Amino acid sequence: QQQVKQSPQSLIVQKGGISIINCAYENTAFDYFPWYQQFPGKGPALLIAIRPDVSEKKEGRFTISFNKSAKQFSLHIMDSQPGDSATYFCAALGGYQKVTFGTGTKLQVIP
Amino acid sequence: DVKVTQSSRYLVKRTGEKVFLECVQDMDHENMFWYRQDPGLGLRLIYFSYDVKMKEKGDIPEGYSVSREKKERFSLILESASTNQTSMYLCASSYGSYSYEQYFGPGTRLTVT
Repeated sequence: QQQVKQSPQSLIVQKGGISIINCAYENTAFDYFPWYQQFPGKGPALLIAIRPDVSEKKEGRFTISFNKSAKQFSLHIMDSQPGDSATYFCAALGGYQKVTFGTGTKLQVIP
Repeated sequence: DVKVTQSSRYLVKRTGEKVFLECVQDMDHENMFWYRQDPGLGLRLIYFSYDVKMKEKGDIPEGYSVSREKKERFSLILESASTNQTSMYLCASSYGSYSYEQYFGPGTRLTVT
């Protein structure tokens, strides 16, 4: 049972464009929503996180938008660069230390 | 910097073998996790531990067991490896009783033939 649904599975964006990855959740007990970034050959690393009482959080070129009523959140990467090419996972924290991950989006930024 | 290390980057085992995957973290984190990563399925939690000798089942514990005898070390055991356990295995650790920030190791690519 996938509690955090993520789309698209893969994404190709031109350099300078905006990359958008969407996630939806079902469990209203989730109360932190982090995004992880994974480069080939590496483990995932925390990129940015948001609480459900905040509608938007921005860190540099990365922005999370959160819609609590729709139970959806998304990652926007502005001015996408080839160095942003990686797999991105949305996630949700609820119930002790357990983090539930989405299925991942493989982003390729082409020059 | 937090460092999570895994004993092997690549491992090839035969069906029916007992397999040990080792994970060590150097930041005195209470919590440690084992995930498997498969294309299209994301990261799925196998087991986690919030203290020495404590363990909790994750979403897919069948066919696996774990051991945590020391705070810094968390082992994943495949009692009798099967081909459907061919996967990337990721270990992670985190600090505190409620943390969304997990630190991951580089992973072990296990192939069971």
